[in-house]
Amino acid sequence: GQNIDQPTEMTATEGAIVQINCTYQTSGFNGLFWYQQHAGEAPTFLSYNVLDGLEEKGRFSSFLSRSKGYSYLLLKELQMKDSASYLCAVRPPDYKLSFGAGTTVTVRA
Amino acid sequence: DVKVTQSSRYLVKRTGEKVFLECVQDMDHENMFWYRQDPGLGLRLIYFSYDVKMKEKGDIPEGYSVSREKKERFSLILESASTNQTSMYLCASRHGGGYIQYFGAGTRLSVL
Repeated sequence: GQNIDQPTEMTATEGAIVQINCTYQTSGFNGLFWYQQHAGEAPTFLSYNVLDGLEEKGRFSSFLSRSKGYSYLLLKELQMKDSASYLCAVRPPDYKLSFGAGTTVTVRA
Repeated sequence: DVKVTQSSRYLVKRTGEKVFLECVQDMDHENMFWYRQDPGLGLRLIYFSYDVKMKEKGDIPEGYSVSREKKERFSLILESASTNQTSMYLCASRHGGGYIQYFGAGTRLSVL
């Protein structure tokens, strides 16, 4: 079975940094995704981690520790447009993805 | 850019109606997926198809069926809609050799 946990909500101030944690217990692991979903819109791909370590893409970074079943998404220099839900998803060794419930990030001025 | 198009953004149906949700992708992707998204539960996989006329059950297939007659189109069918099928439905596609799933904007279905 799959068990993926992430916080329900986070609030931060414009210009600040926010870290969204994701812990997982899954039967098989081939990688971990982060998607961003603005209200009423399609989830869009942010990052994919297969190996341990930090991957940086501009203001967004994603970290993975396979031995700890842990990942985080780091959002730096927050902007109002970063207000969205962030979905953590684990890829087992088949076609499917298992998603966490998502973290709603609210950025305040 | 990959485009996944869901035919309706909002649908309102009556209990017992047969409902069709359509999804079309324009990137010749082999794999297509149907999810439902509910608050606090995240995305849950209903059915997926790894090629034309191929389908496999996901985690919550009860009450649903699918059709994949052409590579670009994947349809989700609610044989007899019930109120507990009120939800946001998301379609996704992926290249057979790839790993990123590309999502449509979703269909919000209300069953009254």
